[in-house]
Order: sequence, then C-alpha cells, then structure tokens
Amino acid sequence: DAGVIQSPRHEVTEMGQEVTLRCKPISGHNSLFWYRQTMMRGLELLIYFNNNVPIDDSGMPEDRFSAKMPNASFSTLKIQPSEPRDSAVYFCASTDRGSSYEQYFGPGTRLTVT
Amino acid sequence: DAKTTQPPSMDCAEGRAANLPCNHSTISGNEYVYWYRQIHSQGPQYIIHGLKNNETNEMASLIITEDRKSSTLILPHATLRDTAVYYCIVRALDSNYQLIWGAGTKLIIKP
Repeated sequence: DAGVIQSPRHEVTEMGQEVTLRCKPISGHNSLFWYRQTMMRGLELLIYFNNNVPIDDSGMPEDRFSAKMPNASFSTLKIQPSEPRDSAVYFCASTDRGSSYEQYFGPGTRLTVT
Repeated sequence: DAKTTQPPSMDCAEGRAANLPCNHSTISGNEYVYWYRQIHSQGPQYIIHGLKNNETNEMASLIITEDRKSSTLILPHATLRDTAVYYCIVRALDSNYQLIWGAGTKLIIKP
C-alpha cells in the first residue's frame, strides 16, 4: 500500500489566494483527519470524517477554511482567502474503524503564504 | 481525555536502550496509552499502545505501572534514525477518534 498520499508537498502562495490541499487515504480506511502543525501551537486537529461525513469541525479556525470528502478515496482542505498566519504544515491521516485507532499520517503539505 | 506530562527533551547513546517516561496520573479505567513519534519533516508514526499490560512489538516496548498513572516507552537498541519527537497520548476507545497531542519529548540519539 502506498500509504496516505498528500499533494502538493509544498505550496507557496500570496495572501488572498485560494489554496487547495488534497489527500488520498489508505484504501479501506473509513476515517480521515486533517491536522495543522506549527511551532507555536503544535499539532492541531482541524476536522475529521467518518464514512465521508464530517463529524467534528470545531478545530477549523474560521470560515476561510473548508473541507470536503466527496468519496472514500479523496478529500480536500481549502483555504480561501489565504493569510500569512495560515502558513503551517498540514497533515492528513486515516484510520480503520476496526483497528485499534492507529492513525496513519501522510507526508504533509508545507504551506507558505506570503 | 487525560492529560499527559513528558520531559521536553532527552539524550541517549546509540546502541543503548532509550527509556521515555510519561505521566498520566488522571487516566481513567477505560483509557489506553498510545505512543507516536514524529521524525523531522515527516508525519507522526504510530508506535505502540496498551491498556494495563505491558506490550511489545517490533519497534518498542511499553511498560505501564500497576496503578496506570505512568508509563515508559522503551526503544531497546536506539539508532540515529530514532531521533524524533515522541508523543504519549491517552484516550478512551469510543466513537470519538480524536487524539489530543501534547508537546512530546524530543529524543536525540547521539553517536
């Protein structure tokens, strides 16, 4: 298995632009998580999905952030408009409900907003 | 979920056993102890988890005290590739999949 796949790996954009991050979970996993990691705040959960349905989005910073999971094999995290304070590494993780809650993380997307 | 306390950093010599402590004095009876690590520039990686019995896998051993208020992750023969931030997390197996991440322990393996 290729593991969790994220794209792009690096994104540099200007303030005000729309940014879309993509994630392909491990095949067969039915839960997907989006995290953000910064030096100041550490690893924060933004939102998670069970069976493609958003369960808890209380970690989403504000309305500029939105996430979708149109099917079991694809999810997006969109920031519109982006701001410099959104600069961070964004991780996607997936897990199998039947497992012992091991979360498998992707390599992350390093976002820089100038 | 119960909070955990870990030392911010530790050093260990290559080839020696690395023992990483974690305090979780407010852990509940239905809460498990999980360990993850994050190597620089990579996503976190699951290591091991346990409830009350000691556990061992190909990566590490987990020792949980009898009162379950603390645990130790043991990397038996540390290598330079084990340099990473190690996170101890406690949580219950319920419908909520959230993991609450602390600051972890920065483990540096020295040659």
